[in-house]
Amino acid sequence: KAGVTQTPRYLIKTRGQQVTLSCSPISGHRSVSWYQQTPGQGLQFLFEYFSETQRNKGNFPGRFSGRQFSNSRSEMNVSTLELGDSALYLCASSPSTGELFFGEGSRLTVL
Amino acid sequence: ILNVEQSPQSLHVQEGDSTNFTCSFPSSNFYALHWYRWETAKSPEALFVMTLNGDEKKKGRISATLNTKEGYSYLYIKGSQPEDSATYLCARRAGSYQLTFGKGTKLSVIP
Repeated sequence: KAGVTQTPRYLIKTRGQQVTLSCSPISGHRSVSWYQQTPGQGLQFLFEYFSETQRNKGNFPGRFSGRQFSNSRSEMNVSTLELGDSALYLCASSPSTGELFFGEGSRLTVL
Repeated sequence: ILNVEQSPQSLHVQEGDSTNFTCSFPSSNFYALHWYRWETAKSPEALFVMTLNGDEKKKGRISATLNTKEGYSYLYIKGSQPEDSATYLCARRAGSYQLTFGKGTKLSVIP
């Protein structure tokens, strides 16, 4: 069974640009959630989607948005990038039992 | 306890030693407690999901206990091996669909 796939794995952007990250969940998993990790911080919850509906959103500014498609694939978008957005962005899919299956992450560097 | 807190932040043990870490969390509105292992350059991997007060789970040399009334969970590793070196994360799920992660305990097992 294929795992959670995130693309791109690495990217470099400049301040003010926007970025879109993609996540393909494990087949059959309908829940997809996104987390941000910055140095010295734990995983910070961004949002969670289930059957194309956002069920919960973390404490992030409106520049951070996401969506989920009918095939459960998900994207997150960050607009007007700031230096502080440099981070590892992890996507996780989840079956009904609740545990998270993580992708390898997308490492974003904002210059 | 307002947030999920883990202690110690890091520890070094000799191969063969047994060790344990603590996860403290708000006891109100509790739904589940997760443990993950995160090895360098890999994705976080689920170890346990526990929901009931008094739950004990075991996977090989690793076990975990849960006290939801007082808001803590212990993770035990018996006979540590170098391959156990990783950051161990706990996360609490409340009534919402998001997990709140601690900052982790980084374990280094010295051969």
